[in-house]
Amino acid sequence: DAGVIQSPRHEVTEMGQEVTLRCKPISGHDYLFWYRQTMMRGLELLIYFNNNVPIDDSGMPEDRFSAKMPNASFSTLKIQPSEPRDSAVYFCASSRALAIQETQYFGPGTRLLVL
Amino acid sequence: AQSVAQPEDQVNVAEGNPLTVKCTYSVSGNPYLFWYVQYPNRGLQFLLKYITGDNLVKGSYGFEAEFNKSQTSFHLKKPSALVSDSALYFCAVRDRRTGGFKTIFGAGTRLFVKA
Repeated sequence: DAGVIQSPRHEVTEMGQEVTLRCKPISGHDYLFWYRQTMMRGLELLIYFNNNVPIDDSGMPEDRFSAKMPNASFSTLKIQPSEPRDSAVYFCASSRALAIQETQYFGPGTRLLVL
Repeated sequence: AQSVAQPEDQVNVAEGNPLTVKCTYSVSGNPYLFWYVQYPNRGLQFLLKYITGDNLVKGSYGFEAEFNKSQTSFHLKKPSALVSDSALYFCAVRDRRTGGFKTIFGAGTRLFVKA
């Protein structure tokens, strides 16, 4: 298996622009997670899905952030409009649904810089 | 509320010496505990987890961790450090009582192993 795939790996944009981050989970994994990592705040869970349905979006910082999972093999995290404080590394992770103790598998991340 | 503390931002160890990366947690119920490692420009990789049973858990790359319920700790250890162990290490917790897949990560501890 190729693992969790994220694109793009790097994104540089200007304040006010729309940013879309993409994720392909491991095939057969029913849970998908979006995390944000910054020096100041560490690793934060933004939202997670089970069977394409958002379960907990309490970590989404503002209405500028939205996430979708239209099918089992694809998810997007969108920021509109983007701001410099959104600069961070965004990770997608996936997990099987067999039990709560299942391990999460992380993608390589998207490094976002908003100028 | 769930929380995870990694009291050391950085740990320095000489190659061949034992290493310990500390983690303490706070959950309302019994925890599931995890250690992940992050190499530069990579996503987090699973090292080991404690679910139940033996308090000493063995994981990847010769790492192990000891669950101590009375001290609410889950310190990561390795008998003999390698230079290649230098990375960022994250402790994480899930509260099995409240259920769900929400995982709380510590701030991370950077491990430097000198040759």
